[in-house]
Amino acid sequence: DAGVIQSPRHEVTEMGQEVTLRCKPISGHNSLFWYRQTMMRGLELLIYFNNNVPIDDSGMPEDRFSAKMPNASFSTLKIQPSEPRDSAVYFCASSLCTGFECEQYFGPGTRLTVT
Amino acid sequence: GQQVMQIPQYQHVQEGEDFTTYCNSSTTLSNIQWYKQRPGGHPVFLIQLVKSGEVKKQKRLTFQFGEAKKNSSLHITATQTTDVGTYFCAGGSYIPTFGRGTSLIVHP
Repeated sequence: DAGVIQSPRHEVTEMGQEVTLRCKPISGHNSLFWYRQTMMRGLELLIYFNNNVPIDDSGMPEDRFSAKMPNASFSTLKIQPSEPRDSAVYFCASSLCTGFECEQYFGPGTRLTVT
Repeated sequence: GQQVMQIPQYQHVQEGEDFTTYCNSSTTLSNIQWYKQRPGGHPVFLIQLVKSGEVKKQKRLTFQFGEAKKNSSLHITATQTTDVGTYFCAGGSYIPTFGRGTSLIVHP
């Protein structure tokens, strides 16, 4: 298996622009997570999907952030409009969660820089 | 909400020395997971502990889950330069809560 795939790997954009990050989870996994990692705040869970349904989006910073999972093999995280403080590495992770077993497989991440 | 505290934040060691990182929670955890992130990389799952007092080993790495299931530790014996990275614990129920991680720096 190719693992979790994220694109783009790097994104540089200007403040105010729309940014869309993409994720393809591991085939057969039923859960998908979006994280943001910064030096200041560490690894933050933004949103969690189970069977393509958003279960917990309490970590989404504000209305500028939105996430979708139209099918089991694709998810997007959109920031509109982007701001410099959104600069971070965004990770997507997938898992086959059963009971309390929820081992997560992370993608390589998207490094976002907003100028 | 549930919080998972991890100490120390950084640890410098000479190659060959031992290293330990600790993870503590204010609430009982159903399980604890450990991940390693190399510099510039992504977190990679190492292990999961479920049972009270459980101890698991992976070569030079020893993982422990406390009797009360509120704390955990990762011990590395005789560190090598390949051990460099940030070690995260993640505890909780269905959705693990990640600690801030301990960054291990190994000096050759």
